[in-house]
Amino acid sequence: GAVVSQHPSRVICKSGTSVKIECRSLDFQATTMFWYRQFPKQSLMLMATSNEGSKATYEQGVEKDKFLINHASLTLSTLTVTSAHPEDSSFYICSAQPPGTYNEQFFGPGTRLTVL
Amino acid sequence: AQSVTQLGSHVSVSEGALVLLRCNYSSSVPPYLFWYVQYPNQGLQLLLKYTSAATLVKGINGFEAEFKKSETSFHLTKPSAHMSDAAEYFCAVRLPLSGGYNKLIFGAGTRLAVHP
Repeated sequence: GAVVSQHPSRVICKSGTSVKIECRSLDFQATTMFWYRQFPKQSLMLMATSNEGSKATYEQGVEKDKFLINHASLTLSTLTVTSAHPEDSSFYICSAQPPGTYNEQFFGPGTRLTVL
Repeated sequence: AQSVTQLGSHVSVSEGALVLLRCNYSSSVPPYLFWYVQYPNQGLQLLLKYTSAATLVKGINGFEAEFKKSETSFHLTKPSAHMSDAAEYFCAVRLPLSGGYNKLIFGAGTRLAVHP
């Protein structure tokens, strides 16, 4: 149980285009989902916290208009990187927290974004 | 404020040797602590967690960690390293937030290399 998927696993796009990454909880409902960014050989940086049916809470320094987050259902959150540039190239990881469990997040396998 | 320090960005051990990965934390509330493992180009997998119960926590793949409040430490150990243990390891502390969810604050990570 507690499986989180991400799609796509890899994406290559041209500079200026927008890219959407999906995060799904496959066997549980997630009231809260998190989006992280990880640069090579570095730790995870929390970008935003997404609650179903409400606006995402962004961390300081993360551009809301650049990284659009939608959490339309209890099993799906999407991250859209708008007008992507090479500096947005990174590994994006989502996680999901089931309701009632104050301790654990379940992580997706990550999405490798490369912007040319 | 919550923070995590992982001493040693790289640790190298021989196969069969003891693995010790260090983690010290700072927390303004009773801490919940986690160790995650990340294999290349993958998401994070939970190894074990401390949630104020037993101070010696056993996890998957033969790993365990001991919570020591007096030392504010939560070091990860494994008696005998396997080649398959080579990966990146992250220690994290929970930051509880209003609304019933929590953020995870990650350490910088320790890359474990296992050589024959």
